[in-house]
Amino acid sequence: DVKVTQSSRYLVKRTGEKVFLECVQDMDHENMFWYRQDPGLGLRLIYFSYDVKMKEKGDIPEGYSVSREKKERFSLILESASTNQTSMYLCASSYEGSNYGYTFGSGTRLTVV
Amino acid sequence: KNEVEQSPQNLTAQEGEFITINCSYSVGISALHWLQQHPGGGIVSLFMLSSGKKKHGRLIATINIQEKHSSLHITASHPRDSAVYICAVSSNTGNQFYFGTGTSLTVIP
Repeated sequence: DVKVTQSSRYLVKRTGEKVFLECVQDMDHENMFWYRQDPGLGLRLIYFSYDVKMKEKGDIPEGYSVSREKKERFSLILESASTNQTSMYLCASSYEGSNYGYTFGSGTRLTVV
Repeated sequence: KNEVEQSPQNLTAQEGEFITINCSYSVGISALHWLQQHPGGGIVSLFMLSSGKKKHGRLIATINIQEKHSSLHITASHPRDSAVYICAVSSNTGNQFYFGTGTSLTVIP
């Protein structure tokens, strides 16, 4: 059974902390994505990656960075967490070419206090 | 303006009712996807379609490319169908998805 695994389901961090959200997929997908999901706003793209060591900004990259050192792993980094980054974070992956559906992780609910 | 609009935002139905969720989009697409998100966050893909109609169990998805509109139907709804249903389109101009804000469905026994 193919999977996208996010390392934590729930996370509570303090304002100003550096936060790492990890995502691993076992499907040899080229594309990986990080979204945040907020009530009334739906899913918004933060960053995506088409290949190892490659990254592209999405719609709301401010306050975030990413790392993709290996094909199967895509990390989202909050350099200095703020309360407005409290959200549900979803990782997804897909084969190259957008005709293929995404496979989503189960999400990480991050609360910044 | 959102590239993908869904309606209704919230829907409550009695068990057994026939349910329809609508999705309209404004961009050129290569495919449209219906996703299901249960409480707790995990998202699963229900359908991917680029024309016509697909059926899986009690779920039916249709798309009208000319009208840029899709519908998700649930027949004989059940409380376990309670979830957020999200419409998404994959753009025909690149590796980009656009998401609707979701329809929150509650089916009451």
